Amino acid sequence: DIQMTQSPSTLSASVGDRVTITCRASQSLSGSLAWYQQRPGKAPNLLIYKVSILESGVPSRFSGSGSGTEFTLTISSLQPDDFATYYCQQYKTYSWTFGQGTRVEIK
Amino acid sequence: QVQLVESGGGVVQPGRSLRLSCVASGFTFSSYPMHWVRQSPGKGLEWVAIVSYDGSNKYYADSVKGRFTISRDNSMDTLYLQMSSPRPDDTAIYYCARIRAPTTGDAFDIWGRGTMVTVS
Repeated sequence: DIQMTQSPSTLSASVGDRVTITCRASQSLSGSLAWYQQRPGKAPNLLIYKVSILESGVPSRFSGSGSGTEFTLTISSLQPDDFATYYCQQYKTYSWTFGQGTRVEIK
Repeated sequence: QVQLVESGGGVVQPGRSLRLSCVASGFTFSSYPMHWVRQSPGKGLEWVAIVSYDGSNKYYADSVKGRFTISRDNSMDTLYLQMSSPRPDDTAIYYCARIRAPTTGDAFDIWGRGTMVTVS
């Protein structure tokens, strides 16, 4: 199985901060990477797919980049609604795997 | 409105069976592969199983292979997960999820609200 490793596990930030979350895969994903946001008590919500394509309705302050095995999710200016947990996911193989999550908390 | 609604969760004793259901609405269910994903309390997301659009192909995570069975009834727009011989470490919220495009390899764009299963 492809292993997904996110860093950091927890991130403390303030409203307006620029935030970056990193995701590393144990093998090349050929662009098959997505990012999700999950608020407490809610289901995950797709933010970005194919590394950098914003899902419809997702604010433009979210962006994704990377290639091969290293990827990043950036929030350009953190808003109160953005305090949540973020997961990366690979969908290259028939064993879809998620990163362990990055919790973004209020500083 | 595109929607997935899970049901069937609850408390089940180890070794007993439980069947989860997920009813789809607002899209052509029979065109999409469908997944089950779970989340143990306070933990991350774990993919469980996928079924192809017509039910002919199924894949499972190693952690549930041989114990869980995914299936679907396209006439009822319903996805199922039969949990046989559940263990305490199967305790989790179980989500059904749709693939963004009707191919196998894509992200999950629609999620249900989840149904909680406690094995105890």
